[in-house]
Amino acid sequence: EPEVTQTPSHQVTQMGQEVILRCVPISNHLYFYWYRQILGQKVEFLVSFYNNEISEKSEIFDDQFSVERPDGSNFTLKIRSTKLEDSAMYFCASSPGPGYGYTFGSGTRLTVV
Amino acid sequence: KNEVEQSPQNLTAQEGEFITINCSYSVGISALHWLQQHPGGGIVSLFMLSSGKKKHGRLIATINIQEKHSSLHITASHPRDSAVYICAADLGGGADGLTFGKGTHLIIQP
Repeated sequence: EPEVTQTPSHQVTQMGQEVILRCVPISNHLYFYWYRQILGQKVEFLVSFYNNEISEKSEIFDDQFSVERPDGSNFTLKIRSTKLEDSAMYFCASSPGPGYGYTFGSGTRLTVV
Repeated sequence: KNEVEQSPQNLTAQEGEFITINCSYSVGISALHWLQQHPGGGIVSLFMLSSGKKKHGRLIATINIQEKHSSLHITASHPRDSAVYICAADLGGGADGLTFGKGTHLIIQP
């Protein structure tokens, strides 16, 4: 069964550093998403991406964050100048489109120290 | 803004018991998703419902669109069912993504 692949599985970074989280969505899916789950809290929507541009973003997704699809397969989330409160599990997901289900990656646990 | 509420937050039961987890949401949606999250953190999709009922093995999901309510049932529960079960509302635009509930932490004791 096709999978969404996320790398790395765990990343530790110093406060103020930039991190890039990587995702390979399912190849024939058209919508891509990033979600965040702070430890002990619910999963929160960050951003959706369709047709090579951001479709929607939440109020969490401020200028510190950016997304890119640098080639035909990868989908990245860049977090600039990381803060302690950015420590969370970040999930990538993809979907064929409205009315279809979602496939989630196994997540990247980001720890900012 | 769509609010998704789940109950109970925590549930401990004995192996073999029938389990029910409830989910309610505040605005009209196109579909309701039930997801499972294991201790390692990964999220697996169990069901996507827009009406009626779906069954997969020992899992049954129902939805009442008029009452804005969905339930997930587990029959003949087993310790391997122990996980966090999350409902998530889909507004259906594709771009909006999902709005998640806080999850129900289920423990099935042998």
